[in-house]
Amino acid sequence: AQRVTQPEKLLSVFKGAPVELKCNYSYSGSPELFWYVQYSRQRLQLLLRHISRESIKGFTADLNKGETSFHLKKPFAQEEDSAMYYCALRRTAGNKLTFGGGTRVLVKP
Amino acid sequence: EAGVTQFPSHSVIEKGQTVTLRCDPISGHDNLYWYRRVMGKEIKFLLHFVKESKQDESGMPNNRFLAERTGGTYSTLKVQPAELEDSGVYFCASSQGDSYEQYFGPGTRLTVT
Repeated sequence: AQRVTQPEKLLSVFKGAPVELKCNYSYSGSPELFWYVQYSRQRLQLLLRHISRESIKGFTADLNKGETSFHLKKPFAQEEDSAMYYCALRRTAGNKLTFGGGTRVLVKP
Repeated sequence: EAGVTQFPSHSVIEKGQTVTLRCDPISGHDNLYWYRRVMGKEIKFLLHFVKESKQDESGMPNNRFLAERTGGTYSTLKVQPAELEDSGVYFCASSQGDSYEQYFGPGTRLTVT
């Protein structure tokens, strides 16, 4: 069975500082990895996926199959980045998402 | 275009009562998913419809939960009888065809007292 772990429940950083959210997964096949974000009073929405290898809102994430990790990074955090972030995995077969426990990011002015 | 909608936004019921949650997916989306987040735990998959058929219901916790998607449009999730541990936020999501992106609704917060 697949599993996604986000070890940090809360990350508090100052505006302009780098932020890194950790995500580790366990799955025997080749998964698709995603980061979802939920801003205050908004619905859960896709931030980025590993296959696209793009930067969204200044965030990037690299899939490291050797370390089974998919950490999310941003070099200069902004106050509007304060939100709940979820790492999620989708198996190659089937469409359901397996989520990590989430990390709350608080960016202080 | 309207996104995924869920009704009600919040429901408070007593243990032993019945509650029905509704999800309206984005028009044209064949895939419909139910997830839930119980207090302090991660968001967990419940089941997946493709049109009106249950593709995967491996996450349904027990037979007190019944999901339907008649006609392949909206879906309902009924909990009968509700227990205290059913409290949490129930999310619905939809996606189109083989698309990887699931669009989530705002969730229904269920409180069982």
